[in-house]
Amino acid sequence: GAGVSQSPSNKVTEKGKDVELRCDPISGHTALYWYRQSLGQGLEFLIYFQGNSAPDKSGLPSDRFSAERTGGSVSTLTIQRTQQEDSAVYLCASSADSGFATGELFFGEGSRLTVL
Amino acid sequence: SQQGEEDPQALSIQEGENATMNCSYKTSINNLQWYRQNSGRGLVHLILIRSNEREKHSGRLRVTLDTSKKSSSLLITASRAADTASYFCATDAWTTDSWGKLQFGAGTQVVVTP
Repeated sequence: GAGVSQSPSNKVTEKGKDVELRCDPISGHTALYWYRQSLGQGLEFLIYFQGNSAPDKSGLPSDRFSAERTGGSVSTLTIQRTQQEDSAVYLCASSADSGFATGELFFGEGSRLTVL
Repeated sequence: SQQGEEDPQALSIQEGENATMNCSYKTSINNLQWYRQNSGRGLVHLILIRSNEREKHSGRLRVTLDTSKKSSSLLITASRAADTASYFCATDAWTTDSWGKLQFGAGTQVVVTP
């Protein structure tokens, strides 16, 4: 597709269940970002991929959160044993490799997670 | 902690007026970007200004950057109801602590009334 695609768009789960959120970046974009946005708040950085490697995982809130990227393309964010405070919109973005500085990010529409 | 902080948090203006919002940041940057978010949607890139630039224009948008004060401003001229959205600044620090991490502020919520 032409843009960043995220799935599911909405996910309602029970506390304690695991969830997987998927991101399909723009073809050819080497950089991929995950952010979390709580209601009415700014964006909280979670993790950044350059190709398949993640130079910066410092934003992952706990060891219940993990992410991987395969083939330099699709990325999956996994939240294990979900808690109510995990409820948020999870945004994915991709960017062309612009060298030593971050270029324009293209965002998906987000995955809204609700933990009951 | 967030690198950028926008001011004001909320702004309400009438159509035709100009809207100005500011962003302050903490560490040296390579570039600063502004994004827009309509309610419930993803973010859309508006403009990027590099650390060696002082001003940039794009349509009705004007961005300034003052690296000595670690601040930027976004001006929207002749605002329209369709400009109603949240506006975020984002900084690219590329330090040993934040390599490749674009950090966003909390945003300014702009409401333009007809």
